[in-house]
Amino acid sequence: EIVLTQSPGTLSLSPGERATLSCRASQSVSSSYLAWYQQKPGQAPRLLFYGASSRATGIPDRFSGSGSGTDLTLTISRLEPEDFAVYYCQQYGSSPTTFGGGTKVEIK
Amino acid sequence: QVQLVESGGGLVKPGGSLRLSCAASGFTFSDYYMSWIRQAPGKGLEWVSYISSSGGTIYYADSVKGRFTISRDNAKNSLYLQMNSLRAEDTAVYYCAREYGSGGMDVWGQGTTVTVSS
Repeated sequence: EIVLTQSPGTLSLSPGERATLSCRASQSVSSSYLAWYQQKPGQAPRLLFYGASSRATGIPDRFSGSGSGTDLTLTISRLEPEDFAVYYCQQYGSSPTTFGGGTKVEIK
Repeated sequence: QVQLVESGGGLVKPGGSLRLSCAASGFTFSDYYMSWIRQAPGKGLEWVSYISSSGGTIYYADSVKGRFTISRDNAKNSLYLQMNSLRAEDTAVYYCAREYGSGGMDVWGQGTTVTVSS
């Protein structure tokens, strides 16, 4: 199975700063079949991106997804207070689908 | 509105069984593949099982294969997860989620908590 490694584990930033989250796959993710999710405490995950860079419905454009192959990135251009959360990547190009371990974006 | 609501979680002893349900509303349930995903306390997300729209294609994670059974009733707009031979490591919040046709899971329930403990 494809192992997804997210880094850093925790990102401490201030509102207004730029966040760059990495998701590295143990094998190439076919056709950019990668999704990103946001999860806040006590809530279910929320789909942010599919196909590595296609924004899901209602996701603000300060969020962007990029990359292909084994290196994918989620960028938040300017952090808003509501963006502090845990972010997960998921690959669905190879069975079984797998999730990364998550990156927590916390307020500095 | 589009919604998934899980139920059926609880406290069960090791070796016991539970049946989780997920009620769908606000969309044509029979058009969508569905999945169960779990999250152990303080941990990340783990995919558990997946079922096609008709129920004809099913997959399981190795960790639950032979113990869990996914099913659906499209007439009742419901998804199920029968969990047998439960172990302490099955303790988690269990989410049902709708598979988005273009990729990823775009609708999630609020989760139901399963605790396996003696």
